[in-house]
Formats: sequence, C-alpha cells, structure tokens
Amino acid sequence: SQQGEEDPQALSIQEGENATMNCSYKTSINNLQWYRQNSGRGLVHLILIRSNEREKHSGRLRVTLDTSKKSSSLLITASRAADTASYFCATAGFLDTGRRALTFGSGTRLQVQP
Amino acid sequence: DVKVTQSSRYLVKRTGEKVFLECVQDMDHENMFWYRQDPGLGLRLIYFSYDVKMKEKGDIPEGYSVSREKKERFSLILESASTNQTSMYLCASTPEGPQPQHFGDGTRLSIL
Repeated sequence: SQQGEEDPQALSIQEGENATMNCSYKTSINNLQWYRQNSGRGLVHLILIRSNEREKHSGRLRVTLDTSKKSSSLLITASRAADTASYFCATAGFLDTGRRALTFGSGTRLQVQP
Repeated sequence: DVKVTQSSRYLVKRTGEKVFLECVQDMDHENMFWYRQDPGLGLRLIYFSYDVKMKEKGDIPEGYSVSREKKERFSLILESASTNQTSMYLCASTPEGPQPQHFGDGTRLSIL
C-alpha cells in the first residue's frame, strides 16, 4: 500500500531558522496533506496539495509536490518555539482504488530552540 | 469549528477485558476513522466507516471491532484486551471524499 515516509525523523533548529521536512510515497495520489501534532494531542490539518499542483503557500508554510519523484516537502520559514511538534504527511488515493482512507507516514519531530 | 470528542484521555484496563472507546463528532461528517499511534510507526488505520452501520477494515483490524449506530458516533471495541494493544488511539472524521481529517485529542490506553 502507498505510504508516506518522512525525512528526517527528527530535526532540531534555532528560532528564526527555516525547517524543511520531506515526504516520499509509493503510489499514485489524489492529494497529499500535512498535519501537525503537539505532544499528547490529536493531529491538526495544516495544508493540502492536489496532485496537479506543484506548490502551495499558507502563511509561513510552503509545500511542494513532485509527482514524478513521488515526493513532497514542507518548509516552515522563520520558525518559532511554538512550532515545536511532530509533522506528518498523509496521502489520499483515488476512490476507485478501493481505499477511502489516508495513509500516514511516521512523522518528523521538530524541536525549535528559543 | 469541527469538534471530535473522545470519551477518555487516559484509560487503564486489564488483559481479557472488553474495552469500549467512544468518539463523537458534531459536524455531520460521513466518514469516521480509528487509528492507533505507536512510536516510530506513525498512524495505522484500524477501521473506518463511511456511513451509518457501514464499516471497512483498515490495515490492522485484528483484535478490534467497531460500531456506528448513529452518524455522529463511532465506537472502537477491543473484544479481549491484550498488552500489545497498549497504545494511543485517535479518532478522526471528514466529509465525503479524501478531505482533511479532523482529529480528537486521543485516548492513551494501557492494558495491564
């Protein structure tokens, strides 16, 4: 089954620096989504990029998608201590494949030092 | 704002017990999901439901069952709890289609 795999598994940066996380997947997708999870809490949706889009912005977030390489990246610019969290990519297949659910990767733990 | 509420944040049960985890959403979403989250493994789909009384197995359904008698409520049942079911359980909902999912805060379940 398709699966998003994030890279790196963990990332530690200083406040003000940019953070880049990568995600690779295996099969064709309808869209790719990024989520954030604070420690001990549920996931919160950040941004969705469709398979026919190459780049998308939302505030300090920038997501790219390269369907030829089956990869995506999430860039957080000018990071803040409050950005400390785990970040997950999730892929959505096409309904005619029979899979209606998202497939999540194992996540990147981001630590932003004040 | 969509609210997904899981009945317990923390739960401790004994092996062999029948365990119920409850999830309620308030936005009339068609789809509801149960995941478990373990360190290094990300989220793994247990079961999902795309309509009342409809369910489909996810990637790891063994040892679990689900119930969706009403649209807003999706229950996960551990028929006979085992220690390897100690985990964080997350419920999510979404309108029809591959839309962003709305998550509850999770239930951290310990089986002793």
